Amino acid sequence: EEQLVESGGGLVQPGRSLRLSCAASGFTFSDYAMHWVRQPPGKGLEWVSGINWNSDKRVYAPSVKGRFTISRDNAKKSLYLQMNSLRPEDTALYYCAKDLELGALAGPFDFWGQGTLVAVSS
Amino acid sequence: EIVLTQSPATLSLSPGERATLSCRASQSIGIFLAWYQQKPGQAPRLLIYDASNRATGIPARFSGSGSGTDFTLTISSLEPEDFAVYYCQQCGNWPGYTFGQGTKVEIK
Repeated sequence: EEQLVESGGGLVQPGRSLRLSCAASGFTFSDYAMHWVRQPPGKGLEWVSGINWNSDKRVYAPSVKGRFTISRDNAKKSLYLQMNSLRPEDTALYYCAKDLELGALAGPFDFWGQGTLVAVSS
Repeated sequence: EIVLTQSPATLSLSPGERATLSCRASQSIGIFLAWYQQKPGQAPRLLIYDASNRATGIPARFSGSGSGTDFTLTISSLEPEDFAVYYCQQCGNWPGYTFGQGTKVEIK
């Protein structure tokens, strides 16, 4: 059974950093592109970042480019999101999601974790 | 940047009725559109990809259509578990995988 479990969320002050992790199981993690998607409380979905299977290609939403870095460790079956210079508007539930297609960044996302909550406030 | 506009914002229907949800793209995205369902406290679930293909395990009452800029998700006969928020997502153009703002299907 496929499973994605996010961790690392919490309350952080504006300007500080946080690193999110996503542990995968139940599928061949190294075969698939992976993504981060966020959802502010009571609002809609926003794609944040994606990485292809071998980390050759990493893409970011304009709202986080230059502040966030996506990475993965296929040996550990894990996805990461390093978030720097956090702002109040980054407050959201952050989901890890698996790409439907093998290998490349393509979308859509056929499996999601349950999310980890990030709150940015002084 | 491609903008997806979903309508209506809220759809009030009774179980057994037909639901028709719209998603319009600000420019052509071919068939690279997906639909998701999200229930309160749950992660989104993929329903439809490439405009009209049902994802694994999705009931036949869910169908998608459209291409270019205009897309439709149809639920042929609403079941109690179908009342939720539905999002469309484009996967065909950069930057990124834009989502629509969502349509809430609520019980009338």
